[in-house]
Amino acid sequence: NAGVTQTPKFRVLKTGQSMTLLCAQDMNHEYMYWYRQDPGMGLRLIHYSVGEGTTAKGEVPDGYNVSRLKKQNFLLGLESAAPSQTSVYFCASSYRDSAGNKNIQYFGAGTRLSVL
Amino acid sequence: GNSVTQMEGPVTLSEEAFLTINCTYTATGYPSLFWYVQYPGEGLQLLLKATKADDKGSNKGFEATYRKETTSFHLEKGSVQVSDSAVYFCALCPLGNTGKLIFGQGTTLQVKP
Repeated sequence: NAGVTQTPKFRVLKTGQSMTLLCAQDMNHEYMYWYRQDPGMGLRLIHYSVGEGTTAKGEVPDGYNVSRLKKQNFLLGLESAAPSQTSVYFCASSYRDSAGNKNIQYFGAGTRLSVL
Repeated sequence: GNSVTQMEGPVTLSEEAFLTINCTYTATGYPSLFWYVQYPGEGLQLLLKATKADDKGSNKGFEATYRKETTSFHLEKGSVQVSDSAVYFCALCPLGNTGKLIFGQGTTLQVKP
């Protein structure tokens, strides 16, 4: 069972470079999320998607873009990386259970990004 | 607004000691409450949850009770093991079932043999 897979696991960028982080889930989940984790701040939601072709802003969306062209994939893009985007990025997915709840989220192992 | 506050870490305990990690929240209505655990080098995993007042979530010897009167969801375990060493996150899902989680800052637990 792969679950939620994030690619790459580590990356170092120079200021101004661009990159895309890939999240893939094989659980047929409808909902997907991107978080960043910074020391002492827990996880903060960047963007999320409630279904294929949809995206929405979270708590800290500035400097990031996302796309959900296929149900199983959720891409996070940094168009012009800044040192403030040095962080660990987590992708998660969730489903609607029999009671209509969609709050049990399944997480990937994370991508550690450093911007110099 | 909605927020979650956890006790500062790190928490260092000896094996078989009793564990409490405090979590309090601010939210309107009755949010769902969660504890997630993150082992070194891994993503977060759901540990337990509670969806209404006085509910007790439990898993792997851990327990937490949803206390509406004190807006708390403290995590407890009677006897910790070295394998419990991890970062623990308290989280809430606001009323309205949007699916978005709001996390506390995390508490690192280190258990020594």
